[in-house]
Amino acid sequence: SQKIEQNSEALNIQEGKTATLTCNYTNYSPAYLQWYRQDPGRGPVFLLLIRENEKEKRKERLKVTFDTTLKQSLFHITASQPADSATYLCALSTSGTYKYIFGTGTRLKVLA
Amino acid sequence: DADVTQTPRNRITKTGKRIMLECSQTKGHDRMYWYRQDPGLGLRLIYYSFDVKDINKGEISDGYSVSRQAQAKFSLSLESAIPNQTALYFCATSDPGAGGRITDTQYFGPGTRLTVL
Repeated sequence: SQKIEQNSEALNIQEGKTATLTCNYTNYSPAYLQWYRQDPGRGPVFLLLIRENEKEKRKERLKVTFDTTLKQSLFHITASQPADSATYLCALSTSGTYKYIFGTGTRLKVLA
Repeated sequence: DADVTQTPRNRITKTGKRIMLECSQTKGHDRMYWYRQDPGLGLRLIYYSFDVKDINKGEISDGYSVSRQAQAKFSLSLESAIPNQTALYFCATSDPGAGGRITDTQYFGPGTRLTVL
């Protein structure tokens, strides 16, 4: 069956370091992969989208990579700040379905 | 003002009661979705609608029904609530994307925390 895995354990890093979060998937051929940020008690907020034919996407301090051979996406936050502390969700969609399947998210805590 | 609003924000009810959760949007999107979020299970799709005349079941539609009253309004009903429907419910809209390339970036509401006793 289709499965999306994100590290369920919280990731703690020091302020100023680069945070790297992982999204792995199996039995799935996504055309689009998105990353969202979710703060406690709030709805997810879209951050970045990457397509299957793109290797990397950047937006300010954020970078996403997409390796369809490894079936993995990495999400990087450079020069992390305490305000980056949140849960980060990955979501995948296959072309033509127009629906996304979400991972369970990884909680990031940036320590001052 | 928020683009996607949900009412109520919190609701406590009893087993067997009928509950309606409402969602309104001002983004002008045709596509709307209802998800539930449970600890350790992530977001799961309940129903989705691509326009007013189009309703589709998602991954976990049993025990739920929806109504798309207008482009801007999409309601979720629990006809007879049960305790395992206790969860955080999110409404979302999506933007199909430009130039015919469907991306469906999701825009979420603030959520409704529902507790069924």
